[in-house]
Amino acid sequence: GAVVSQHPSRVICKSGTSVKIECRSLDFQATTMFWYRQFPKQSLMLMATSNEGSKATYEQGVEKDKFLINHASLTLSTLTVTSAHPEDSSFYICSARVGVQIDTQYFGPGTRLTVL
Amino acid sequence: AQSVSQHNHHVILSEAASLELGCNYSYGGTVNLFWYVQYPGQHLQLLLKYFSGDPLVKGIKGFEAEFIKSKFSFNLRKPSVQWSDTAEYFCAVNGEIYNQGGKLIFGQGTELSVKP
Repeated sequence: GAVVSQHPSRVICKSGTSVKIECRSLDFQATTMFWYRQFPKQSLMLMATSNEGSKATYEQGVEKDKFLINHASLTLSTLTVTSAHPEDSSFYICSARVGVQIDTQYFGPGTRLTVL
Repeated sequence: AQSVSQHNHHVILSEAASLELGCNYSYGGTVNLFWYVQYPGQHLQLLLKYFSGDPLVKGIKGFEAEFIKSKFSFNLRKPSVQWSDTAEYFCAVNGEIYNQGGKLIFGQGTELSVKP
């Protein structure tokens, strides 16, 4: 149980285009999902917290207009990188939170974004 | 602000050697503590977690961790490592349990290489 998927797993795009990444909880409902960014050989940096049916909460330094997050259902959250630039190239990982008392996050496999 | 520090960036061991990876956090309140593992090319998987109770927590694959509140530490241990334990290990803390909740702060990660 507690499987999280991401699509696509890998995407290459041209500078200036927008890219949408999907995060799905396959066998549970997740009221809260998280989006992280991971640079090579570095830790995960939380970008934003996504709550179903409400606006995402962004971490300090993360541009809301650049990284659009939508959490329209209890099993799907999307991250759209708008007007992508080479510096946005990174590994984007989502996680879904199981419950409040249990309070454990399960992670997706990640999406490798390369902006040319 | 919360922070998590992993002292060892890269650890190299031979098979059957004992492992201890350090993790210290800074947060004065009640915390949930986690260790995640990321095998090469795979997504983060939960190794073990501490919420309350017995400070010695046992996880999957023979790993265990001890929560020492006075030292703000949650070190990961394994008595005898295997080549298949080669991976990146991340310590994480959630100190906002009853507020927004769920936000994980990750340490920098420790790369473990086990030589056969």
